[in-house]
Amino acid sequence: GQNIDQPTEMTATEGAIVQINCTYQTSGFNGLFWYQQHAGEAPTFLSYNVLDGLEEKGRFSSFLSRSKGYSYLLLKELQMKDSASYLCAVRDNTNAGKSTFGDGTTLTVKP
Amino acid sequence: DADVTQTPRNRITKTGKRIMLECSQTKGHDRMYWYRQDPGLGLRLIYYSFDVKDINKGEISDGYSVSRQAQAKFSLSLESAIPNQTALYFCATSDLRGQGGDTQYFGPGTRLTVL
Repeated sequence: GQNIDQPTEMTATEGAIVQINCTYQTSGFNGLFWYQQHAGEAPTFLSYNVLDGLEEKGRFSSFLSRSKGYSYLLLKELQMKDSASYLCAVRDNTNAGKSTFGDGTTLTVKP
Repeated sequence: DADVTQTPRNRITKTGKRIMLECSQTKGHDRMYWYRQDPGLGLRLIYYSFDVKDINKGEISDGYSVSRQAQAKFSLSLESAIPNQTALYFCATSDLRGQGGDTQYFGPGTRLTVL
């Protein structure tokens, strides 16, 4: 099985930088995803990492270290609209190639 | 038009009733999923299907059943609804082709309340 850990809640200030961590344990790692979910809405895809290193997409970046079972999502120049839950999901080849979701981190951006 | 649609968007029903939630997609994806989400919690997988002839139980399949009528359609049924099935239900699709590595695309959700 898989064990995925994320902080439950985080608070940050508009314009600042925030890093949301995700640690996982899996035997057949085959990719890590980050999704954004605004309250009451569907999750939407943010990023995908399968190799070690940093992937940058505008204000959002995602980092992966497979040896450490660790990823983070970095949000720069925070905006109020970034207030949402951020879900880490890990794809596992020993789990029928499915992704398992963490419980998510609720980020609140304050003025 | 939305690529993944769910009907109904909201439903209130009574204990013991049979309920069907429907999901349709125009993305041409082979893989489809049903999740439930309870307040403050993550997504829990109910059932998934990797093609029309493939149905698999997820982590919380008890009390639910599914039907994959076509590549584009995947329905979730609650045979006899109970109050602890009150939740937000999401359908999702994915595809191994392309660079996304099985990225999932979600429908807008169905808010189900069982009284």
